[in-house]
Amino acid sequence: AAGVIQSPRHLIKEKRETATLKCYPIPRHDTVYWYQQGPGQDPQFLISFYEKMQSDKGSIPDRFSAQQFSDYHSELNMSSLELGDSALYFCASSLAYQNTEAFFGQGTRLTVV
Amino acid sequence: AQSVAQPEDQVNVAEGNPLTVKCTYSVSGNPYLFWYVQYPNRGLQFLLKYITGDNLVKGSYGFEAEFNKSQTSFHLKKPSALVSDSALYFCAVRDGGNFNKFYFGSGTKLNVKP
Repeated sequence: AAGVIQSPRHLIKEKRETATLKCYPIPRHDTVYWYQQGPGQDPQFLISFYEKMQSDKGSIPDRFSAQQFSDYHSELNMSSLELGDSALYFCASSLAYQNTEAFFGQGTRLTVV
Repeated sequence: AQSVAQPEDQVNVAEGNPLTVKCTYSVSGNPYLFWYVQYPNRGLQFLLKYITGDNLVKGSYGFEAEFNKSQTSFHLKKPSALVSDSALYFCAVRDGGNFNKFYFGSGTKLNVKP
């Protein structure tokens, strides 16, 4: 079965650079979420989209932005990268109904040096 | 506001013994509860969920969870632990207000010793 695809799997950037993370949700899923997981921490919600519109916003820095495109894939854009942005970034997708589970991608490990 | 709490950072159990990973929740409406497992450098994998109905929910890899409304708990259980069960386990609740985000607990590291 198709799963959530994230690219790239690993990314190394220097401080003040920009990064773009991509997410391809499971077909027919209408909701995409982005989470950030620091070392030894639980996933922190960043932002979500329902039917290509932003549906909720969490602790996402102003330096970050995201969007969902007409083909339902989503991109997380990160600018002016800081060392503290180094983390595992997960994308997940689900149906919007509250009784459905989310399926997570393998994540993108971003290292800022 | 929705939240979940996992009171144990780590649980140690011997292979073959039963295991329990604890989770308590706080929701304003009906609880929609989930358990996920995470192996090192991997994404979260869905194990099971409670929506309604039987309080004992069965999931993947022999795991089950018991929903207790009076204690607002949703503990993850397995009758006989395997070394390969060693991983990080997250309890989650879905926000029923806007049908969107999942709130995760802080995670519990399960160590199963041979």
